[in-house]
Amino acid sequence: AQSVTQLGSHVSVSEGALVLLRCNYSSSVPPYLFWYVQYPNQGLQLLLKYTTGATLVKGINGFEAEFKKSETSFHLTKPSAHMSDAAEYFCAVTRMNRDDKIIFGKGTRLHILP
Amino acid sequence: DAGVIQSPRHEVTEMGQEVTLRCKPISGHDYLFWYRQTMMRGLELLIYFNNNVPIDDSGMPEDRFSAKMPNASFSTLKIQPSEPRDSAVYFCASSFLQAPDLELFFGSGTQLSVL
Repeated sequence: AQSVTQLGSHVSVSEGALVLLRCNYSSSVPPYLFWYVQYPNQGLQLLLKYTTGATLVKGINGFEAEFKKSETSFHLTKPSAHMSDAAEYFCAVTRMNRDDKIIFGKGTRLHILP
Repeated sequence: DAGVIQSPRHEVTEMGQEVTLRCKPISGHDYLFWYRQTMMRGLELLIYFNNNVPIDDSGMPEDRFSAKMPNASFSTLKIQPSEPRDSAVYFCASSFLQAPDLELFFGSGTQLSVL
């Protein structure tokens, strides 16, 4: 079975500081991995995804994530936080088969301090 | 395309009443998902359809919950009778779900409050 663990339900960083949101996954076969972002009163939208190929994936708004198989991790980073990055971030996993559902983590709320 | 459209945006009802949530997926998408989001449990997958056929409903919490997809452009999630613990935000999402795409497109959600 697949699962996703996000460490820290709330993370606070100062504006301009590094953002690091942690995600570890469990999957018996090579996974597809995702980060989604949810702004207040909105649905989730895709930030970036890893399917195959390069393990460092770049997404929208300056975010990137690195797939590390040895650590079963897919942490999300951004070099310099902006106030507009305040949102909830969800890591998700699925397997490389059709009809496999996408499993979401419980989310990490990112707070940006002025 | 206008994206995934959910209605209503907000629903306030009394315990015991029937609630129907509606979803119009993006045209051409062959997968449709219903999720529920609460503070306690996060984002839970309730049920998903492929080509209008329910594939996995193991996340539906009780028999009070039912979902249908009569055609490719419409789905409903019904709760009958509703209870206060059903209060949550319910999201509908659609996708092609084929590699390397796999992106889920979410609606804006329905905020359900059961009093």
